[in-house]
Amino acid sequence: AQSVTQLDSQVPVFEEAPVELRCNYSSSVSVYLFWYVQYPNQGLQLLLKYLSGSTLVESINGFEAEFNKSQTSFHLRKPSVHISDTAEYFCAVRGGGATNKLIFGTGTLLAVQP
Amino acid sequence: DSGVTQTPKHLITATGQRVTLRCSPRSGDLSVYWYQQSLDQGLQFLIQYYNGEERAKGNILERFSAQQFPDLHSELNLSSLELGDSALYFCASSAGGPNTGELFFGEGSRLTVL
Repeated sequence: AQSVTQLDSQVPVFEEAPVELRCNYSSSVSVYLFWYVQYPNQGLQLLLKYLSGSTLVESINGFEAEFNKSQTSFHLRKPSVHISDTAEYFCAVRGGGATNKLIFGTGTLLAVQP
Repeated sequence: DSGVTQTPKHLITATGQRVTLRCSPRSGDLSVYWYQQSLDQGLQFLIQYYNGEERAKGNILERFSAQQFPDLHSELNLSSLELGDSALYFCASSAGGPNTGELFFGEGSRLTVL
């Protein structure tokens, strides 16, 4: 069965510092991985996704994630964070079989401090 | 704006009552997914419908039921409500093909059971 583990429930970081949010996955089928972001009182928005091809994927707002098959990881990174990046970040893996359902990790709260 | 519409945004009701949450998917999307988000359980997949048929079932209680109508909107019915059912309920949609990957989420319906 597919699953994801987000090792950190909360990551405090100062503005303009680099950050890494960790995600490890378990999957017995082809892996499709996602990072979603949830701002306070809002729904989930797709940040980036890995379906196939290049193992490094980037988002439009400076985040990137690297698919590492040997380490079964899909860590999210940003070289310099802003106050506006404060949000909950969820890693997800697509369920196997005929469904496109996503299985989410427990989330990591990125708290950017001035 | 994801294009997925959920109503109502907020709902307060009493234990033992029944409520219906409604979801309109993005135009053209055939799949609808329901998720429950709570502090202790995180984001839990409840159920998926594809073009009116149930496609996948997750941790959905017997007191809960859902359906997708011919116009592709979906309803989640929650009955015999308990305090523990208080949560944010998300609807998501996708095109439904095998390689689409991404789910588009609505802003959620916050249910409070008193």
